[in-house]
Amino acid sequence: EVQLVQSGAEVKKPGESLKISCKGSGYSFTSYWIGWVRQMPGKGLEWMGIIYPGDSDTRYSPSFQGQVTISADKSISTAYLQWSSLKASDTAMYYCATYSSGWYNDYWGQGTLVTVSS
Amino acid sequence: EIVMTQSPATLSVSPGERATLSCRASQSVSSNLAWYQQKPGQAPRLLIYGASTRATGIPARFSGSGSGTEFTLTISSLQSEDFAVYYCQQYNNWPPVTFGGGTKVEIK
Repeated sequence: EVQLVQSGAEVKKPGESLKISCKGSGYSFTSYWIGWVRQMPGKGLEWMGIIYPGDSDTRYSPSFQGQVTISADKSISTAYLQWSSLKASDTAMYYCATYSSGWYNDYWGQGTLVTVSS
Repeated sequence: EIVMTQSPATLSVSPGERATLSCRASQSVSSNLAWYQQKPGQAPRLLIYGASTRATGIPARFSGSGSGTEFTLTISSLQSEDFAVYYCQQYNNWPPVTFGGGTKVEIK
């Protein structure tokens, strides 16, 4: 059974850095693309970018390019989403999700709530 | 970037009735369209991909149709567990993959 387990909720101050994680299991982690989706409070879904853990090929949405870094450590089957300097507007739920059969998201993590507040 | 527009924003339906949700793309996405269901406090769940193929375990009361720029998700007879927000997503031209703004299906 494919499972994606994300790291826990975070409360940070503006300007701080953060790295959240998503651990895959039940499948060959290096064989599926995995990506991140943002959902701001009370809002819809926004595609941020994806990575292929097999070779670390990474693609970003223009809206998020330069704002976040997506990475993966295939040795521990874990993908990451990282900020170097958080803003209040980064407050959101972040979901990881796989692309096992096509460019749609078939398996999802449970979400990580990031709250940025002074 | 392809813009996905969903209508209506909110749909009020009685249990047992049919619900019809629309999704329009700003340019053709062929059949590269998916639908997701999201309930409060939960991650989205894939319902339909390829515009009309049900994902594993999705009940037959959910059906998708359309191609090009116009798509429809139909729920033939609404059950209590179907009241949720539904999103369409195009994956024909990316990056970025783009989502519609969502349709909330609520109890009438």
